[in-house]
Amino acid sequence: GENVEQHPSTLSVQEGDSAVIKCTYSDSASNYFPWYKQELGKRPQLIIDIRSNVGEKKDQRIAVTLNKTAKHFSLHITETQPEDSAVYFCAASKGTGRRALTFGSGTRLQVQP
Amino acid sequence: NAGVTQTPKFQVLKTGQSMTLQCAQDMNHNSMYWYRQDPGMGLRLIYYSASEGTTDKGEVPNGYNVSRLNKREFSLRLESAAPSQTSVYFCASTTGGGDQPQHFGDGTRLSIL
Repeated sequence: GENVEQHPSTLSVQEGDSAVIKCTYSDSASNYFPWYKQELGKRPQLIIDIRSNVGEKKDQRIAVTLNKTAKHFSLHITETQPEDSAVYFCAASKGTGRRALTFGSGTRLQVQP
Repeated sequence: NAGVTQTPKFQVLKTGQSMTLQCAQDMNHNSMYWYRQDPGMGLRLIYYSASEGTTDKGEVPNGYNVSRLNKREFSLRLESAAPSQTSVYFCASTTGGGDQPQHFGDGTRLSIL
């Protein structure tokens, strides 16, 4: 089955700096890669996603890049703000077979004011 | 529009007791999922239902059963609770297969003594 590895497990940045979180996946058939943000005690919330026919996607301060050949994808947050502090999860899935997300282990992002 | 609703929000059980976690969605989604989240880990798939009338095992199905009661409702049952099942349980739903965004409920925090 699919295996998703996520790095780093913790990340501390100064307000205004950029943050990058990286994930690798094992199943070359995976074609959907969402990123979720989870605040303490809350539900995971989708912040951005990308499909395998696209190499990069941006939404304001957030961007995701995908390298299908290397089987890795990354989340980029620019101009970080204290409210970006949370745990971020990457995930991977495909539209056939077990059609469910496999999650990475999460990255705790701390943005220092 | 409530989205995905889970009940109860909190529950404490004794070892050996049984209980059912309820999940309902009002978005006319076809697929529904149950995940568990343990401290410092990502979400792991317990069971999923690709469509009404079908259920399939995920990564960690042992000790659980599910019922897809109708298109809206997907319940998770613990027949004989064990301390290892102490976790936060999330239900999610999506329009189609694994390559579509999943919407999560608020979670059920379950402690087994």
